[in-house]
Amino acid sequence: GENVEQHPSTLSVQEGDSAVIKCTYSDSASNYFPWYKQELGKGPQLIIDIRSNVGEKKDQRIAVTLNKTAKHFSLHITETQPEDSAVYFCAASSMDSNYQLIWGAGTKLIIKP
Amino acid sequence: DSGVTQTPKHLITATGQRVTLRCSPRSGDLSVYWYQQSLDQGLQFLIQYYNGEERAKGNILERFSAQQFPDLHSELNLSSLELGDSALYFCASSVEARPEETQYFGPGTRLLVL
Repeated sequence: GENVEQHPSTLSVQEGDSAVIKCTYSDSASNYFPWYKQELGKGPQLIIDIRSNVGEKKDQRIAVTLNKTAKHFSLHITETQPEDSAVYFCAASSMDSNYQLIWGAGTKLIIKP
Repeated sequence: DSGVTQTPKHLITATGQRVTLRCSPRSGDLSVYWYQQSLDQGLQFLIQYYNGEERAKGNILERFSAQQFPDLHSELNLSSLELGDSALYFCASSVEARPEETQYFGPGTRLLVL
């Protein structure tokens, strides 16, 4: 079945710098890739998603890129701010997973002042 | 505020006991998901309901069960509790059951089994 690997598990960046989190998936039929952000003490919240017919999507300071050939997708955060500190989860869904989201293990992003 | 409510916020119980966690989805959402998040762990999908019917099962133990009622609220029942069941339990809801639907997560129920 589908497997999603997420790296790194922890990422520490200086405020104002960029952060990149990468996920790889195993099922080439996967077609939907969301990213969720979980702030301390809260439930995850969708921040951006991408479908397999699109290579890149941007929303202000965040962007997601998808490489279907290599089967990986990445979250890019530019001009990081303290409020970006959180745990970020990637996920993928495909017919092989009965269309359920398969989640990555999460990345703890720390923004250093 | 996602619009998803979960009760209770915290629950402390003993091994061998049974507890019920409750979730009210956003108004208009037909699909409910349950997740378990252990300390420093990712999200483990447990089960999904859509309009009262079980839609998909994940890594849900036989000691756990869930249901979705006609008013669309859902309950997760955990029985014969073990220390390892201590975790955050999240409920999420979406309008439909398709994976590309945004899942709106509740604030979670923190369960501690002593």
